[in-house]
Amino acid sequence: SYVLTQPPSVSVAPGQTARITCGGNNIGSQSVHWYQQKPGQAPVLVVYDDSVRPSGIPERFSGSTSGNTATLTISRVEAGDEADYFCQVWDASSDHWVFGGGTKLTVL
Amino acid sequence: QVQLVESGGGVVQPGRSLRLSCAASGFTFSNYGMHWVRQAPGKGLEWVAVISYDGSDKYYADSVKGRFTISRDISKSTLYLQMNSLRAEDTAIYFCAKDHYGDHSAPIDLWGQGTLVTVSS
Repeated sequence: SYVLTQPPSVSVAPGQTARITCGGNNIGSQSVHWYQQKPGQAPVLVVYDDSVRPSGIPERFSGSTSGNTATLTISRVEAGDEADYFCQVWDASSDHWVFGGGTKLTVL
Repeated sequence: QVQLVESGGGVVQPGRSLRLSCAASGFTFSNYGMHWVRQAPGKGLEWVAVISYDGSDKYYADSVKGRFTISRDISKSTLYLQMNSLRAEDTAIYFCAKDHYGDHSAPIDLWGQGTLVTVSS
């Protein structure tokens, strides 16, 4: 089955840029979606189809894919960005949705 | 307003059954695929099942296939998850979710608040 690998944690100082990676075999050929989840809340879609921002999501959030890695980039990080972030794809070979294990973003 | 409201969670013994419901409002329910996604305490997200906009296609995670059944009642704008032969590892918050543009690969753009299922003797 298809596996998505994320680093368990990423730390960044306020105002800096955070990059959260999601590794998967030839993930560049997939549509990758990213979700933000704060404690006790439901997830929120922050980037879909690799790089599209839903309405209401700040421009500071962006996404990209290349080869075996997808990246969620958060520019000018704020304290309110502290959350868990999950990548996700639809694996057409198995008709399964797949989530990455999640990355906890800590704002120092 | 646009929302999903889950119900039906609770404490159940191993081997027993439970049915979750998700009431949708504020959008045309019959136009979108719907998912169940779960999250065990302190763990990540795990996709459970998806049903197409018209109910004709259903897909399940390997961990629940043969035990869980996803269904929808368009007349009631309600999504269901019938869970049989429950196991301790099924303990989780279960989220109902709507897809963004009616395709299996579409992202989720609306989530419910979740309902907690605890499987314990």
